[in-house]
Amino acid sequence: GESVGLHLPTLSVQEGDNSIINCAYSNSASDYFIWYKQESGKGPQFIIDIRSNMDKRQGQRVTVLLNKTVKHLSLQIAATQPGDSAVYFCAENKVKAAGNKLTFGGGTRVLVKP
Amino acid sequence: DAEITQSPRHKITETGRQVTLACHQTWNHNNMFWYRQDLGHGLRLIHYSYGVQDTNKGEVSDGYSVSRSNTEDLPLTLESAASSQTSVYFCASSEGQGGNEQFFGPGTRLTVL
Repeated sequence: GESVGLHLPTLSVQEGDNSIINCAYSNSASDYFIWYKQESGKGPQFIIDIRSNMDKRQGQRVTVLLNKTVKHLSLQIAATQPGDSAVYFCAENKVKAAGNKLTFGGGTRVLVKP
Repeated sequence: DAEITQSPRHKITETGRQVTLACHQTWNHNNMFWYRQDLGHGLRLIHYSYGVQDTNKGEVSDGYSVSRSNTEDLPLTLESAASSQTSVYFCASSEGQGGNEQFFGPGTRLTVL
């Protein structure tokens, strides 16, 4: 598989603890905000999205929070597991009639300590 | 099962050569995308297509071209490879309008010497 050793901010988390990954976005006109996970040697994988008119959305073990006032997005992972070790990217989507196109942020590396 | 594949997985070429990276998806998705991933830059969009015969430039399209002759394939061509194009390239596809979930291929590591 392919991977890139990105010089990324790193979050070290003890297994079983909760993780919070933050992202600042720039485009107030975006319709959706999305989180992707990229494991070593693989392509990114969709985790969860949130529409711009919402402030919270929950999935399985994950919660995304959106604060439009300060243009801030966060991903909370409950009871972090070793399989959560990966690079996490936030992305924005401004939906247009022709189709969708995502703009990705720089990413955060999460390391889960046993 | 539906999937998205890329070939080759690794490629070494010389400056000035033309290189084509293949991307094939069996999701029957209208939308297809090419990204490059470099140290410190995350994923940057090169070109994208919303359907057959449709192609659009992304934020880093200089030196690259794509063509979409069928739904399944979106080959990426580097017209004259440069060392600055050494990178990992990812292809992705998604459903029609508003699709936030893009399905990514495994990537191609390209080295230009």
